[in-house]
Amino acid sequence: GQQLNQSPQSMFIQEGEDVSMNCTSSSIFNTWLWYKQDPGEGPVLLIALYKAGELTSNGRLTAQFGITRKDSFLNISASIPSDVGIYFCAGPRSTSGSRLTFGEGTQLTVNP
Amino acid sequence: KAGVTQTPRYLIKTRGQQVTLSCSPISGHRSVSWYQQTPGQGLQFLFEYFSETQRNKGNFPGRFSGRQFSNSRSEMNVSTLELGDSALYLCASSLGVGRNQPQHFGDGTRLSIL
Repeated sequence: GQQLNQSPQSMFIQEGEDVSMNCTSSSIFNTWLWYKQDPGEGPVLLIALYKAGELTSNGRLTAQFGITRKDSFLNISASIPSDVGIYFCAGPRSTSGSRLTFGEGTQLTVNP
Repeated sequence: KAGVTQTPRYLIKTRGQQVTLSCSPISGHRSVSWYQQTPGQGLQFLFEYFSETQRNKGNFPGRFSGRQFSNSRSEMNVSTLELGDSALYLCASSLGVGRNQPQHFGDGTRLSIL
């Protein structure tokens, strides 16, 4: 079935550094979603991508929909302590618009 | 605008019992999906409802069931609870179905089985 491989699994960075994480699949996805989850809370939608090659920003966050439609990247610039959390990529299975497949997540730690 | 509301936030049950979890979607959202999150398996899809009809079901045993009401609120039920059912159960809502309808999540119900 469709699986999303997300890397890295964890990152330890200093405040102010830029961060990059990515998600790849052996199957084509027509939508890529990036979520952030804080401890004890549900995932919060950060960015949604709907077209191959699309580059979208949300404040210090920038995400890109790979042109092959099999990958996506999330970049965080000038990290701050509140960026700490788990970042997930997700996409709907091709056979259904709403059933999401999730990556394993990237645990981000920011040292002040 | 209120987000997705899940109740209760925490629940402790024993093996063999059954449990019902509730989800109120964002106002105007008609699609509700449920996911199970565990450290070992990550986020896994349980089922999706739209207009009171189950549209999709994940690979979970029949002990897991759900329903959606006419006001789009949804419940999921787990019968004959097992230790492995301990997890964070997340509900997500979207305006409709389809790839251009991103899902927004509630904060989940943390279910612990003793």
